[in-house]
Parts: sequence; structure tokens; C-alpha cells
Amino acid sequence: KQEVTQIPAALSVPEGENLVLNCSFTDSAIYNLQWFRQDPGKGLTSLLLIQSSQREQTSGRLNASLDKSSGRSTLYIAASQPGDSATYLCAVRRGDSNYQLIWGAGTKLIIKP
Amino acid sequence: NAGVTQTPKFRILKIGQSMTLQCTQDMNHNYMYWYRQDPGMGLKLIYYSVGAGITDKGEVPNGYNVSRSTTEDFPLRLELAAPSQTSVYFCASSLYDTDSYEQYFGPGTRLTVT
Repeated sequence: KQEVTQIPAALSVPEGENLVLNCSFTDSAIYNLQWFRQDPGKGLTSLLLIQSSQREQTSGRLNASLDKSSGRSTLYIAASQPGDSATYLCAVRRGDSNYQLIWGAGTKLIIKP
Repeated sequence: NAGVTQTPKFRILKIGQSMTLQCTQDMNHNYMYWYRQDPGMGLKLIYYSVGAGITDKGEVPNGYNVSRSTTEDFPLRLELAAPSQTSVYFCASSLYDTDSYEQYFGPGTRLTVT
């Protein structure tokens, strides 16, 4: 059974730091992996999607990597800003279906001014 | 485009009551989903639909029902509400099963059952 784990559950860093959020999954047979941002009282916003054949994806200050063989993905945030404060969730799409996303519990990130 | 909209935003139910959570998308997406998110947990899939008239169970369907009579709407029905159904409910949609598969989410409905 696929399980997705995100560590740490919460992280607080000063503004300007580069940081890494971690996501691990137990079954390497995935179709893709997606990182989302969740703001309080709002829905989830997709940040980056990495197909199983890809190693990384970049969008602005965000870079996500994928290592299927080790069951790991990282989300790198460069030059963090207070506006980056949110909960970040990762989800893997199972390799045997076209609808099921398996979600991690998220990392709550606080960027201190 | 409004994207995915959900109503209501908040609701308090008494045990045993019923209600319908509304979800509408204006992107002409084929796929729609209902998730619940409990505090400190990831999202769990309740039901999904691959098109009008077609629905199927997800990971946690007990206590819920859905219908998909149109492409745009995917309501979630709670019958005989229980405290265990206290959660935040998210509706999502995606165009199809393409290489750029991506789900778009509504703002959520926070439900409390007391």
C-alpha cells in the first residue's frame, strides 16, 4: 500500500533562507508526483508536477526533484519570503490508476520577517 | 473563469441531520473528485467521477453519496451525519488523464457535526 510521508510537520525559518521540504513514498510505481500549496481558508494550488520519467521541475524560486528508486522528492525554495508561509503538501499519483492521488500530511512552513 | 466553486463555506450539523455540499466547475473538465481533510492529515478521496453519469468510490466512501448529472456539477450528499464526518471537504476537477494531468481545487467546506 502506498504511503506518503512529509517531514518535518512544521518548519520556521528567517526570511531569505534557502530551504528544503521532504516527501517520501513507499511504492516507487508512481505515475507522477505533485507539490501543492495550501493557504488557510483557501483551496490547494498546484505548484509543480513531476512525471515519473523526470528528475526535476522548476518554477521561479521553486525546484522540485524526484528520485523514484529511493522513494523521495524534495521541494527547494530559494530566498524564502514571508509570503511563502503556507502548508506544502505532496501527492503521488498511483501508477495503476488515473484518478487516485495519495497524499502526505503536509509541512507547515512559517517564514519569519 | 471562476474555476471550482464550493458552497457552503462553513456548516454546523447536528448528529443525524443530512446535507448536500455543492461543487461546480466551469472549465469543462471531465474528472471531478471529492476529498476530505482531517486535522494534521493528508487528503483522502471520498468519491470521484470520470464524466457525467459515471461515479465511483474512493478510499473513504462510507456515509456519503454522489451524483453527476452534468459535466459542471458534482454534489456530495451526507446522510445521517456523524461526528466522524467533521472535516474540511474539498472538491477538485481535472481535464482528463493526460501527460499534464493536474487537479484544480475549490476553497473547501468546513463541516462540524455535533
